[in-house]
Amino acid sequence: GENVGLHLPTLSVQEGDNSIINCAYSNSASDYFIWYKQESGKGPQFIIDIRSNMDKRQGQRVTVLLNKTVKHLSLQIAATQPGDSAVYFCAEKGMDSSYKLIFGSGTRLLVRP
Amino acid sequence: DTAVSQTPKYLVTQMGNDKSIKCEQNLGHDTMYWYKQDSKKFLKIMFSYNNKELIINETVPNRFSPKSPDKAHLNLHINSLELGDSAVYFCASSPRPGRGGSGNTIYFGEGSWLTVV
Repeated sequence: GENVGLHLPTLSVQEGDNSIINCAYSNSASDYFIWYKQESGKGPQFIIDIRSNMDKRQGQRVTVLLNKTVKHLSLQIAATQPGDSAVYFCAEKGMDSSYKLIFGSGTRLLVRP
Repeated sequence: DTAVSQTPKYLVTQMGNDKSIKCEQNLGHDTMYWYKQDSKKFLKIMFSYNNKELIINETVPNRFSPKSPDKAHLNLHINSLELGDSAVYFCASSPRPGRGGSGNTIYFGEGSWLTVV
C-alpha cells in the first residue's frame, strides 16, 4: 500500500495565525520529501522540499520539519493568508523507487478572514 | 507560457468510448508523468517516461496506453472507458528522473477532469 499517510482532515485557522499541517510516513527508506499545495481546480504546486539528511528547512513564510525517528513531517505556514486556502499534500520519494513520488491524502486548509 | 499544458480540461463521455488526453511541456524536461486523482483527492502515479522511454507502469489496466512521441509530449489514451475511470488526470514533468534534490522538482499541469457516464 501507499506509504504516506494523511486522512483528509480540514484545518481551519484565523487569518494571520500560524498553521501547522502534519503528515506521517511509513517508509523509513524514503530520503526526499515534498509539500505541495493544490488550489481548487488546479494542479499541485511545489511549496518546499527537504532531504532526509536535514531536519528543518525554511522558505518564504513556510517551514518544513522532518522527524525521522517517528517518521513525521510537518508544514508550518506563518501569518496564514486567505490565499493559503487549499489542499496540502506531503509526498515522498523512496530510495528504492527513485522515479516515483508517493502522495499522502491531503489536508484542506481553510483560512477565516 | 504554460509550463505543463494538458487538453482537454473537461471531458464527459459514455462508457465504452475511447478517449485521449494530450500533454505537452515546454520546460525542456526529460521526464514526464501521468497521475490520477480520485474523488477523495488521493493522487497516485500511473506512468512515467524518461526521454520517450517508459520507466514506471504502476499496474494500470492495459486499457490505458501512454504514448510519448518526443520528450516534450506524453499523451494518455484510454480504451473502453468505465465508470471507475472518472477522475482528474494530471500530467507532470521533471528535469530528470532519479531521486529528488535541488532543481528536480515535479511540475504539474492543471488537470483533465474526466467523467464517464
